[in-house]
Amino acid sequence: AQTVTQSQPEMSVQEAETVTLSCTYDTSESDYYLFWYKQPPSRQMILVIRQEAYKQQNATENRFSVNFQKAAKSFSLKISDSQLGDAAMYFCASSTGTASKLTFGTGTRLQVTL
Amino acid sequence: NAGVTQTPKFQVLKTGQSMTLQCAQDMNHEYMSWYRQDPGMGLRLIHYSVGAGITDQGEVPNGYNVSRSTTEDFPLRLLSAAPSQTSVYFCASSPNGGLAYEQYFGPGTRLTVT
Repeated sequence: AQTVTQSQPEMSVQEAETVTLSCTYDTSESDYYLFWYKQPPSRQMILVIRQEAYKQQNATENRFSVNFQKAAKSFSLKISDSQLGDAAMYFCASSTGTASKLTFGTGTRLQVTL
Repeated sequence: NAGVTQTPKFQVLKTGQSMTLQCAQDMNHEYMSWYRQDPGMGLRLIHYSVGAGITDQGEVPNGYNVSRSTTEDFPLRLLSAAPSQTSVYFCASSPNGGLAYEQYFGPGTRLTVT
């Protein structure tokens, strides 16, 4: 069975600063993907970034990047130049198996302050 | 493209009542799934389908039924609602069951069982 752990229930960052959200996972599969989803107050789930387990290079999407440490089973999300619109719940998730079933962590609520 | 649509947005049921949460997608996606989101627990997979006529159980299937007669629709049935089924329900779809594919989420249905 897969597990995904997010140990930071809440984080706060000042506008324009950088924040890192932590995620660890456990899986016995060799082929899997990792994702970060954002859930703003509207409740809509939005994909932020994804990482393939076989790729050593860390994924980046504009101000969002990951630090993927495969041996440590760690997958953190770094948000640079934080903006007020980044305030949301962030979920780490893993996908494995014959169908893309997602296993989610419990989420980190990010607050962005002026 | 409307994407993934869910109806209703909100619903209140009494214990023992039955209802169907509707989910439809217009992207011709093969893979569809249902998740529930509870406070402090992230999203958990209820049932999923890899194509019309094929469904399987996820992590928390008890109390829920699904069927997939068309590619577009994937309804979730609660046969006898219980207070433990109070939750926010999300339907999602992706082009197929490949690990890399993003899952596109609907806006969610907030269900309260009294």
